[in-house]
Amino acid sequence: GQQLNQSPQSMFIQEGEDVSMNCTSSSIFNTWLWYKQDPGEGPVLLIALYKAGELTSNGRLTAQFGITRKDSFLNISASIPSDVGIYFCAGQNYGGSQGNLIFGKGTKLSVKP
Amino acid sequence: EAGVAQSPRYKIIEKRQSVAFWCNPISGHATLYWYQQILGQGPKLLIQFQNNGVVDDSQLPKDRFSAERLKGVDSTLKIQPAKLEDSAVYLCASSPGQGALEQFFGPGTRLTVL
Repeated sequence: GQQLNQSPQSMFIQEGEDVSMNCTSSSIFNTWLWYKQDPGEGPVLLIALYKAGELTSNGRLTAQFGITRKDSFLNISASIPSDVGIYFCAGQNYGGSQGNLIFGKGTKLSVKP
Repeated sequence: EAGVAQSPRYKIIEKRQSVAFWCNPISGHATLYWYQQILGQGPKLLIQFQNNGVVDDSQLPKDRFSAERLKGVDSTLKIQPAKLEDSAVYLCASSPGQGALEQFFGPGTRLTVL
């Protein structure tokens, strides 16, 4: 089945630094989504990308849908302690099982104050 | 607006026992999903319902897992009998309709099988 490779696996950064993480796939997706998961909670949607090449921002977060439709990246600018958590990319296709999400393994972000 | 509710939040059982999880989606959401999230992994879809019908259960281990959504609202997921490798967080999500992009997740049920 489809698999997503997400990197890095974990990051330790200083408060105020910028963060970049990415996700690649061996097959194309129609939609890329980025989620954040806090301990003991379910994932929460941060950004959704619908078109190849699209660049979308949500506050300090910026994400891009790769032109090949096989990759996406997420940037966080000026990190703060509450950015701590696990960030997941997810790809979505339309068709037989509409709406099904394929998740990456996550990037665990730690922020030192 | 109330979010997706799940219970119990935690469950510890011994292998070969049975367990059931309950999910109440956001009011009015037609589509309901059950995911399994093993420690260190992203969520993996087990089953998708559209109202009370199954849309996709291709990744559900049907020899031991079952799920139902009889009235098209809340849903139960059952494991019988449980194995050690079933230890995971079971997440329920809902969305307004089939193919809707945003899925809203519940807090999950953490299952430990001893």
